[in-house]
Amino acid sequence: EAQVTQNPRYLITVTGKKLTVTCSQNMNHEYMSWYRQDPGLGLRQIYYSMNVEVTDKGDVPEGYKVSRKEKRNFPLILESPSPNQTSLYFCASSTIRDRNYEQYFGPGTRLTVT
Amino acid sequence: SQQGEEDPQALSIQEGENATMNCSYKTSINNLQWYRQNSGRGLVHLILIRSNEREKHSGRLRVTLDTSKKSSSLLITASRAADTASYFCATGFQKLVFGTGTRLLVSP
Repeated sequence: EAQVTQNPRYLITVTGKKLTVTCSQNMNHEYMSWYRQDPGLGLRQIYYSMNVEVTDKGDVPEGYKVSRKEKRNFPLILESPSPNQTSLYFCASSTIRDRNYEQYFGPGTRLTVT
Repeated sequence: SQQGEEDPQALSIQEGENATMNCSYKTSINNLQWYRQNSGRGLVHLILIRSNEREKHSGRLRVTLDTSKKSSSLLITASRAADTASYFCATGFQKLVFGTGTRLLVSP
């Protein structure tokens, strides 16, 4: 089954404790992206990747890191989480061959930073 | 940078009625996409309309695009309770920008 998976689905952590949210897709998609969703603000893009070893900033990259060492994986790293990073995070992927960027989304990771 | 703004923010209708939601955007686009999100879950792609298209259909969905007004509308015909969700428009390529969404409630 074609899918995007994220782990963990729920995470409660404390300020400053490094964490990684994993994202994996099995569709051989070139493009992957991370979003955060906050009430009243909609989805905002954090980082995206056009292919292996190619990443770029979205609208809200501060406080986040990403890496794309393999085509299927695109982890999101919070080196020193803060309470304002409490949010619902989504990973997405798409092929870029048709230039449509119709994205497949993961189920989301709800992060709480205390 | 918020590109799309949906209107209305919330919409409540009865099953069988049609639901129309609108999206306005600010800059020129190559295509516009609509997504659905069930409460707290991942978004699901519904339909894409290219800038050179004016109308597109997919099942009970009808999307229109007016590039001169920088606006799009999504019509869901004969709504069902299962259509209850939030609907978002999105524009862009690599940097996909979403609107704030319309919350649709369809009551049985």
